[in-house]
Amino acid sequence: NAGVTQTPKFQVLKTGQSMTLQCAQDMNHNSMYWYRQDPGMGLRLIYYSASEGTTDKGEVPNGYNVSRLNKREFSLRLESAAPSQTSVYFCASSDLLPGTGGDEQYFGPGTRLTVT
Amino acid sequence: KQEVTQIPAALSVPEGENLVLNCSFTDSAIYNLQWFRQDPGKGLTSLLLIQSSQREQTSGRLNASLDKSSGRSTLYIAASQPGDSATYLCAVTLGDMRFGAGTRLTVKP
Repeated sequence: NAGVTQTPKFQVLKTGQSMTLQCAQDMNHNSMYWYRQDPGMGLRLIYYSASEGTTDKGEVPNGYNVSRLNKREFSLRLESAAPSQTSVYFCASSDLLPGTGGDEQYFGPGTRLTVT
Repeated sequence: KQEVTQIPAALSVPEGENLVLNCSFTDSAIYNLQWFRQDPGKGLTSLLLIQSSQREQTSGRLNASLDKSSGRSTLYIAASQPGDSATYLCAVTLGDMRFGAGTRLTVKP
């Protein structure tokens, strides 16, 4: 039982390049999330998926796209990377959406992305 | 918009001391509050989850309290150990989850 896994762990991109961050969970959770963490700002929600086939914007969605490939996998894509997207990206999952039962969220180890 | 603040940003204590970390939030109509631990270069580990109807939760040497009306939560760590050194984040849920910036705790041997 690996929990939430993310790939890659580190990535360096040049401005304008694209890439996809991968996330998978093996806890059979319905909901999955992508956050970014910047120094001094805590985590901010980028996108979430309440269930397979649905996605919704979070607090900071601009510059990102997501795909809920199946119940296990939720990917985050940067179409044209910008230096402002340099951050640590975390994927998380929970059985229920926040506000619908107060379920705990479980986090992956993160992807450290640098855009030069 | 929900704002979550954690004070202090950093804290250093000698081993064995009892300590309190603070979390405040601006909108008291929350569903729950969760405390996390984050080790350097790692993801977040959930420590305690307090539902809006609860006043506190305990796990081992950790005790978290919640006062919705005043928009405050505290995380009490008893008999601190060097292994407790980490960043502690609180997050409140109201629709989505909003995080504080964290308190970086160092426990010196």
